[in-house]
Amino acid sequence: AQKVTQAQTEISVVEKEDVTLDCVYETRDTTYYLFWYKQPPSGELVFLIRRNSFDEQNEISGRYSWNFQKSTSSFNFTITASQVVDSAVYFCALSAAGSARQLTFGSGTQLTVLP
Amino acid sequence: NAGVTQTPKFQVLKTGQSMTLQCAQDMNHEYMSWYRQDPGMGLRLIHYSVGAGITDQGEVPNGYNVSRSTTEDFPLRLLSAAPSQTSVYFCASSYAPNLGYEQYFGPGTRLTVT
Repeated sequence: AQKVTQAQTEISVVEKEDVTLDCVYETRDTTYYLFWYKQPPSGELVFLIRRNSFDEQNEISGRYSWNFQKSTSSFNFTITASQVVDSAVYFCALSAAGSARQLTFGSGTQLTVLP
Repeated sequence: NAGVTQTPKFQVLKTGQSMTLQCAQDMNHEYMSWYRQDPGMGLRLIHYSVGAGITDQGEVPNGYNVSRSTTEDFPLRLLSAAPSQTSVYFCASSYAPNLGYEQYFGPGTRLTVT
């Protein structure tokens, strides 16, 4: 069985603050993929990043960075110098290589960036 | 490319009514799936398909039916709507999610059952 836990239900920060969204996962598979999706107030789901279980290299893309640590089963997402447009629900998700099933999602973190 | 399209965008049903949510994709993806999104629960998988003619149940399949007669289309049927099915429904497609390819989501259908 797979499970994704996003313990932070809601986070509120002031613009220009850094914020980290936590994601902890459980899986018995040795090959798996982790994702982050963003859902802005308009409601669509936007793919942000994918990581496979063999690549623990952290990634930075502009103001976004991701920290993948297999030792703690975590895949955390940091936004540096947050902006109001970052306000959204962020979902972490997991897909196992051995299964044809689709993504297992966390419950999401509502991020509100205040001006 | 239109990507993943869903119709309708909004729907109100009375308890006991049936309806079909439409989903189509033009990316020639083999994998398609239906999720429902409820507050505080993320997205939960209802049904999925790994190709035309092949479907399987996800986490919350009760009360829903699917079929996949073509690669492009994957309709979701509500057999007898119940208030517990009030939710936002997302259809998604992917080249191969089990190989790490991302899923592309439709814009969603907001369903209210009274």
